[in-house]
Amino acid sequence: EPEVTQTPSHQVTQMGQEVILRCVPISNHLYFYWYRQILGQKVEFLVSFYNNEISEKSEIFDDQFSVERPDGSNFTLKIRSTKLEDSAMYFCASSTTGYEQYFGPGTRLTVT
Amino acid sequence: AQSVSQHNHHVILSEAASLELGCNYSYGGTVNLFWYVQYPGQHLQLLLKYFSGDPLVKGIKGFEAEFIKSKFSFNLRKPSVQWSDTAEYFCAVNAENTDKLIFGTGTRLQVFP
Repeated sequence: EPEVTQTPSHQVTQMGQEVILRCVPISNHLYFYWYRQILGQKVEFLVSFYNNEISEKSEIFDDQFSVERPDGSNFTLKIRSTKLEDSAMYFCASSTTGYEQYFGPGTRLTVT
Repeated sequence: AQSVSQHNHHVILSEAASLELGCNYSYGGTVNLFWYVQYPGQHLQLLLKYFSGDPLVKGIKGFEAEFIKSKFSFNLRKPSVQWSDTAEYFCAVNAENTDKLIFGTGTRLQVFP
């Protein structure tokens, strides 16, 4: 069964550094998403992406964040200058319809 | 703003016990409803979904959920749990005109043999 994959599984970075989290969505899916979960808190929506542009973003998704689908298979989330409060589990998801979403295993980001 | 509440944060059951996990949402319009499960060390997996039609939906592994519109609820049930059901369960909603999922805080289920 096809799955969403994410790399790396764990990323440690220093405050102020840029990080890129990578996702490979399921191949025939057209809608892509990033969510995050800070330890002990809810899974929160960050951004949705369709037809090579952002379709919706949350207030968390400020100018420090960007998404890209560079090559038709990968979907990336970039954080330009990481803060301590960016430490979280980041989940990528994809969907054919925009409703039923399939999640990847997540990348644990630790900002020190 | 839309929100999802899961009232049970941690549930401990013995095998063969019945399970019901509560989920309530706040949104007055049309919603799509989901239960996701996260087994230890694994990713979020879709357990079941409700879009429209029969309010009693059946999912994988013997789980079912009932949508009660008047109560804004979508409770998850299983008549007889197994040790392998030990996991975290998340209720999620998306409203019409958006595909972003709003999640509840999750319920940790521990099943003892």
